[in-house]
Amino acid sequence: DIQLTQSPSFLSASVGDRVTITCRASQGISTYLVWYQQKPGKAPNLLIYAASTLQSGVPSRFSGSGSGTEFTLTISSLQPEDFATYYCQQLNSYPLTFGGGTKVEIK
Amino acid sequence: EVQLVETGGGLVQPGGSLRLSCAASGFTFSDHYMDWVRQAPGKGLEWLGRIRKKANSYTTEYAASVKGRFTISRDDSKNSLYLQMNSLNTEDTAVYYCARFYFASGSYQALDIWGQGTRVTVSS
Repeated sequence: DIQLTQSPSFLSASVGDRVTITCRASQGISTYLVWYQQKPGKAPNLLIYAASTLQSGVPSRFSGSGSGTEFTLTISSLQPEDFATYYCQQLNSYPLTFGGGTKVEIK
Repeated sequence: EVQLVETGGGLVQPGGSLRLSCAASGFTFSDHYMDWVRQAPGKGLEWLGRIRKKANSYTTEYAASVKGRFTISRDDSKNSLYLQMNSLNTEDTAVYYCARFYFASGSYQALDIWGQGTRVTVSS
């Protein structure tokens, strides 16, 4: 199985900060990498797919990059509504797997 | 409006069974693969499995943690997805989500539509 390791697992930041979350895969997955945002009590929401393609309706302050085994999700200027938990997921091979999550909290 | 609505969650005893349903609306359900994902209390997301569409013979994939105990099925005439869960144990306590699989080409794929989730508690 492909393991996804997210770092950090917890991040404290202020409104306006630039935030970067990393997702590392245990083996190469090309660009079969997706990012989701989840707020408490809600279902995950798709942000980015194919490692760097922004889902329709997602603000442009979100961006993704990477291929192979290392990927990043960047929020260029953190907004109050961005405080949430972020997950990466690989769709390269079965079983599909998620990273452990990164919780972004207000400093 | 594109929507997925899960039902069927509740309290079940260890060793028991439960069937979850996911009703789809606002899109052509039969055109899409569908997935189940769960989230244990305070934990991360866990992919459970997938069912493909008719053109792919409704074949399925499962996570090792549920293979042989859980069965995914669908009824395209009812725009519905199902998760039959048998031999439940306390570790199956979670919120269960159904999700639509979006595929364009190559790596342009994701779980793009999610239901609100249904809570399953396994306890005596």
